[in-house]
Amino acid sequence: AQTVTQSQPEMSVQEAETVTLSCTYDTSESDYYLFWYKQPPSRQMILVIRQEAYKQQNATENRFSVNFQKAAKSFSLKISDSQLGDAAMYFCAYRRPNTGNQFYFGTGTSLTVIP
Amino acid sequence: GAVVSQHPSWVICKSGTSVKIECRSLDFQATTMFWYRQFPKQSLMLMATSNEGSKATYEQGVEKDKFLINHASLTLSTLTVTSAHPEDSSFYICSAHTRDPRFEDTQYFGPGTRLTVL
Repeated sequence: AQTVTQSQPEMSVQEAETVTLSCTYDTSESDYYLFWYKQPPSRQMILVIRQEAYKQQNATENRFSVNFQKAAKSFSLKISDSQLGDAAMYFCAYRRPNTGNQFYFGTGTSLTVIP
Repeated sequence: GAVVSQHPSWVICKSGTSVKIECRSLDFQATTMFWYRQFPKQSLMLMATSNEGSKATYEQGVEKDKFLINHASLTLSTLTVTSAHPEDSSFYICSAHTRDPRFEDTQYFGPGTRLTVL
């Protein structure tokens, strides 16, 4: 089974500052998908951003962007201009294509935003 | 769009009873639905994958007879926790995947169900 590692159990950032959450994964596949999901205190999982492995260009979604390093199997999430509403658990997830679409989740990073 | 609902949002039951949790995709047909379990401050653990009209595929270590999954239609999957015990208390989350071109190719998650077994 694929493994996804998030080495930062907790992170904090000052409001309006930038923070980067790290994620590494282990796979022998060349084609796959990577995701970042946010889980606020409500516990509703919310898609933040996704990246297809065959795309070299890093995905961007407003204040959220990723640094995808395929050779290093690294997929970090950068949050710019952090807002109080960004406070949540962030999960990195890996998915192989055409395999039933199962996700393999990392252990999560709890992000605190300091006003 | 791509809304997934779960019912109930929380349930308290006595040890030995069975509890059914429903997962519905409201505005799309789900190719596949997934059931996860999440303990406090931990990640989501995949329990099973279900496709409409076929038997669910359970992850290693998940008891099929204890966690019954029925996927009766393309918009409804149910998880029944049979003969529940206090150790089954947890947060259960479902998700749905769709090939509907209106939505992204990803899983859409329900809001979760908190089960407490006394």
